[in-house]
Amino acid sequence: GDSVTQMEGPVTLSEEAFLTINCTYTATGYPSLFWYVQYPGEGLQLLLKATKADDKGSNKGFEATYRKETTSFHLEKGSVQVSDSAVYFCALNLVTGNQFYFGTGTSLTVIP
Amino acid sequence: GAVVSQHPSWVICKSGTSVKIECRSLDFQATTMFWYRQFPKQSLMLMATSNEGSKATYEQGVEKDKFLINHASLTLSTLTVTSAHPEDSSFYICSAPPGRSRSEAFFGQGTRLTVV
Repeated sequence: GDSVTQMEGPVTLSEEAFLTINCTYTATGYPSLFWYVQYPGEGLQLLLKATKADDKGSNKGFEATYRKETTSFHLEKGSVQVSDSAVYFCALNLVTGNQFYFGTGTSLTVIP
Repeated sequence: GAVVSQHPSWVICKSGTSVKIECRSLDFQATTMFWYRQFPKQSLMLMATSNEGSKATYEQGVEKDKFLINHASLTLSTLTVTSAHPEDSSFYICSAPPGRSRSEAFFGQGTRLTVV
């Protein structure tokens, strides 16, 4: 079935460190891929997305590239800030308007 | 912009009692809402799809008599956990999928339910 496997946390980094959160997927069709972020006390917010192979999604310094050959969508940021502390969810969606399949979420804490 | 408001954000209840979680779409209408649940160290999993004006559809293994869903209006969906037990303790979150007025899904803040 369709599923997302995400790197387990928690992850603790110092400010300005490089971040990678791994995400791989299994899908029966051609999914769109997403990263959502949840800040404390708030709902999930779309961070970035990619709708087809080799697309790169980017936002707020974060990037992820849709790799069909490795079925991956790893999230990266070159220099994290304290304000990036949040829970990050990788997700896929096969049909717009239908349900998402989520990873377990990765908690990131950035310390000054 | 479009926002989904979910309340309460956390609740503690005694075994055997019922808990209602509300999910409201602010400044847009949602004919469909998804309800997800996340157990510790597991993924957010779809529980049910709430449809305005008709019965909710439940995923396999989710008891419809235990998790009552009511989509009373185009801006409100509720999930009631009836006769709650400790194994119902979980994180519940609602979502409105993309629609005519929005190109992306919107999520509520989530509700942390603890049954003691």
